Amino acid sequence: QVTLKESGPGILQPSQTLSLTCSFSGFSLSTSGMGVGWIRQPSGKGLEWLAHIWWDDVKRYNPALKSRLTISKDTSSSQVFLKIASVDTADTATYYCARIPFYDGYPYFDYWGQGTTLTVSS
Amino acid sequence: DIQMTQTTSSLSASLGDRVTISCSASQGISNYLNWYQQKPDGTVKLLIYYTSSLHSGVPSRFSGSGSGTDYSLTISNLEPEDIATYYCQQYSKLPWTFGGGTKLEIK
Repeated sequence: QVTLKESGPGILQPSQTLSLTCSFSGFSLSTSGMGVGWIRQPSGKGLEWLAHIWWDDVKRYNPALKSRLTISKDTSSSQVFLKIASVDTADTATYYCARIPFYDGYPYFDYWGQGTTLTVSS
Repeated sequence: DIQMTQTTSSLSASLGDRVTISCSASQGISNYLNWYQQKPDGTVKLLIYYTSSLHSGVPSRFSGSGSGTDYSLTISNLEPEDIATYYCQQYSKLPWTFGGGTKLEIK
């Protein structure tokens, strides 16, 4: 059974760094073809892909935020991390992590966490 | 970036109806398109990958089609649990991008 769960600070002040953790079970990020990604959604708005990391530590970032994003993983503890530097009110959103299997050449987010909400406010 | 447009932001239909949700890409995406369902509580599920492949466990009343720049998700025989917002997503080129969503409501 695949599960993912996001955790984060809940609230931050502008200019602080956001640290998010995705804890997962039911699969391993050491498996060839496996990845985990981060997606966010401002309240009442659509989904935005932020970044993902593959089993071989290849990382991909959304260019719109690339200078502020850092994704990493700890395979042994089944966790993926995302840091967003210098947050501002526009970063207020629900943040999801999701598994990305890429065995057959068709990547997709097949299992999602429940999301963690971030509010940026002074 | 490839822009994904779901021109219908909300749609109202009756139980048992056949519903089609459309998604258009700003350039050809070679069928590299997925569909997701987001329930009102925020839960997100994969429905369709690679335009028309049904994800495991998804009811067969969901189907996908399309090519080039134009894609669609069809729900036949609408059921109450289908009330949700539906998003398309392209993975032809980075950055992966989502459509703005189509909210499906019951008449």
